[in-house]
Amino acid sequence: AQSVTQLGSHVSVSEGALVLLRCNYSSSVPPYLFWYVQYPNQGLQLLLKYTTGATLVKGINGFEAEFKKSETSFHLTKPSAHMSDAAEYFCAVSDGGGGGADGLTFGKGTHLIIQP
Amino acid sequence: EPEVTQTPSHQVTQMGQEVILRCVPISNHLYFYWYRQILGQKVEFLVSFYNNEISEKSEIFDDQFSVERPDGSNFTLKIRSTKLEDSAMYFCASSNPGHNEQFFGPGTRLTVL
Repeated sequence: AQSVTQLGSHVSVSEGALVLLRCNYSSSVPPYLFWYVQYPNQGLQLLLKYTTGATLVKGINGFEAEFKKSETSFHLTKPSAHMSDAAEYFCAVSDGGGGGADGLTFGKGTHLIIQP
Repeated sequence: EPEVTQTPSHQVTQMGQEVILRCVPISNHLYFYWYRQILGQKVEFLVSFYNNEISEKSEIFDDQFSVERPDGSNFTLKIRSTKLEDSAMYFCASSNPGHNEQFFGPGTRLTVL
């Protein structure tokens, strides 16, 4: 069985500061990992994904994440926060690639607050 | 840009009533999914659907739930006799084989009174 743990239900950073959202996973097979963002009253939008290959992946809006197998982590970072980054962020894992019939297992989400 | 759409955006129903939540997946996608998110909790997988049959379902997806693709565009989730604990946001998603991304709709907020 898979699981995802997101540390911190709320994270607050100042505009221009580094954003770090933590995600740890457990999986019995090599995982496929995803970060989704949800803006108010909208659906989940894919930020980035790790499937195979390069462990540092870059996504939209300046976000990136690094897959660290030894730490079972997939933390999301952005060097400089912008007010428009305020949203809910979800880490998710799949063992079937996320594009087949396998459902994604999500973390509880982290609400990112950007202070002016 | 193609997107997944869901209707209604908000549904209020009485306990024991049947509800049908509707989704229009992206037109060339072949895999379809339903997820739910109870307020304050994580997004949970309910069911996936491919080639007109259920591919995978979670333990949440019991006999009260059913899914259907009644035509070439819609994908529906039916809850036969709603319970208070069915109150949640329900998300539909779709994807294509070989593409490691599920595209999500905006969700339907179901409130059971």
